[in-house]
Amino acid sequence: DAKTTQPNSMESNEEEPVHLPCNHSTISGTDYIHWYRQLPSQGPEYVIHGLTSNVNNRMASLAIAEDRKSSTLILHRATLRDAAVYYCIQDTYSGAGSYQLTFGKGTKLSVIP
Amino acid sequence: DARVTQTPRHKVTEMGQEVTMRCQPILGHNTVFWYRQTMMQGLELLAYFRNRAPLDDSGMPKDRFSAEMPDATLATLKIQPSEPRDSAVYFCASGLVSGRYNSPLHFGNGTRLTVT
Repeated sequence: DAKTTQPNSMESNEEEPVHLPCNHSTISGTDYIHWYRQLPSQGPEYVIHGLTSNVNNRMASLAIAEDRKSSTLILHRATLRDAAVYYCIQDTYSGAGSYQLTFGKGTKLSVIP
Repeated sequence: DARVTQTPRHKVTEMGQEVTMRCQPILGHNTVFWYRQTMMQGLELLAYFRNRAPLDDSGMPKDRFSAEMPDATLATLKIQPSEPRDSAVYFCASGLVSGRYNSPLHFGNGTRLTVT
């Protein structure tokens, strides 16, 4: 079962910033938070991941709460191409070789022109 | 950009027929995953391989599904016999796992399977 909770859907105006929240209250010290997104008719696409501190890349920023029980994916200027389902995933390490990303339902982001 | 390639993109078959889906992972990736996506269940992990060896296939119906990696450039998912409830989009993904470091997963664009 997915260990994260996200809103089912969100809307944003084009060229506005978007903050997508995620709760992961059972996270432990070695668990990473990953974000993927899925555009229509495509496979999921990696967005960003982090452990403790905030992370930035060319696609987005990831803000992780101090207690690590929640995080926020930030798209700085939403474009129509950012309309997708965004998945927040808690990567729980259970030993050498383990790597299972369990996808929940995600947040469907709609971008309004 | 390196891509995960899946074939076929679409497959329509009749109940009881054998279906084989293929995946070419990204060169150098040591871990390959098979996921299935339906409207009702979302994305479900079926099985995954590390260095071509199966690590976990607990998500797969054992009686009709089988997954293999004949070589490092090919992963296959086979359903025999297929049933209408197997209709879904099947995704392959690959990544590089080394100790606690997990590279981002790269997904293919999936095989949309329809079983009538």
